[in-house]
Amino acid sequence: AQSVTQLGSHVSVSEGALVLLRCNYSSSVPPYLFWYVQYPNQGLQLLLKYTSAATLVKGINGFEAEFKKSETSFHLTKPSAHMSDAAEYFCAVTGGGNKLTFGTGTQLKVEL
Amino acid sequence: GAGVSQSPSNKVTEKGKDVELRCDPISGHTALYWYRQSLGQGLEFLIYFQGNSAPDKSGLPSDRFSAERTGGSVSTLTIQRTQQEDSAVYLCASSLYPTGGQGGELFFGEGSRLTVL
Repeated sequence: AQSVTQLGSHVSVSEGALVLLRCNYSSSVPPYLFWYVQYPNQGLQLLLKYTSAATLVKGINGFEAEFKKSETSFHLTKPSAHMSDAAEYFCAVTGGGNKLTFGTGTQLKVEL
Repeated sequence: GAGVSQSPSNKVTEKGKDVELRCDPISGHTALYWYRQSLGQGLEFLIYFQGNSAPDKSGLPSDRFSAERTGGSVSTLTIQRTQQEDSAVYLCASSLYPTGGQGGELFFGEGSRLTVL
């Protein structure tokens, strides 16, 4: 079985500051890991995914995430936040079977 | 259309009524998923289809919930005798290949918001 823990249901940063959204996972098999973003009243959109090709994964809109097996983490970062980054972010993991298990999400607020 | 289409976008119903939610996946996508999103609960897996078969329906919360997929395309999620706790956004997603074994990306629709009064 697999699970995801996202630390911090709400994160607030200033525009231009570093964004760090935390994700820890558990999986009984080597996982695939995903970050999705959901803008208000929209469906989820893929930011990036880890499929074992490289531990540092670059995604859209300047986001990246690093897979750290020893820490069972897949934290999402962006060097400089923009107002348009305000959204809800979901980490997800596969670990056997054919479904994605999602975390409870982190609402990112970007302040001037 | 190019994306996953869901209808209706909003549905208000009375407790005890049946509802049907429809999902049109991206053409050619063999895998189809239903999730439920409740406030503060994240996304809860309901059911997974590969073609017209549902090898994983472990997330359906009760026997009031059922889903089918026909022609390897359109899927319908049916909730019978709706209860207030069924109020949520129901999301459909499709992928070209299953996410578990091959890391297939899920493409989501905008969801159907169900409110049970």
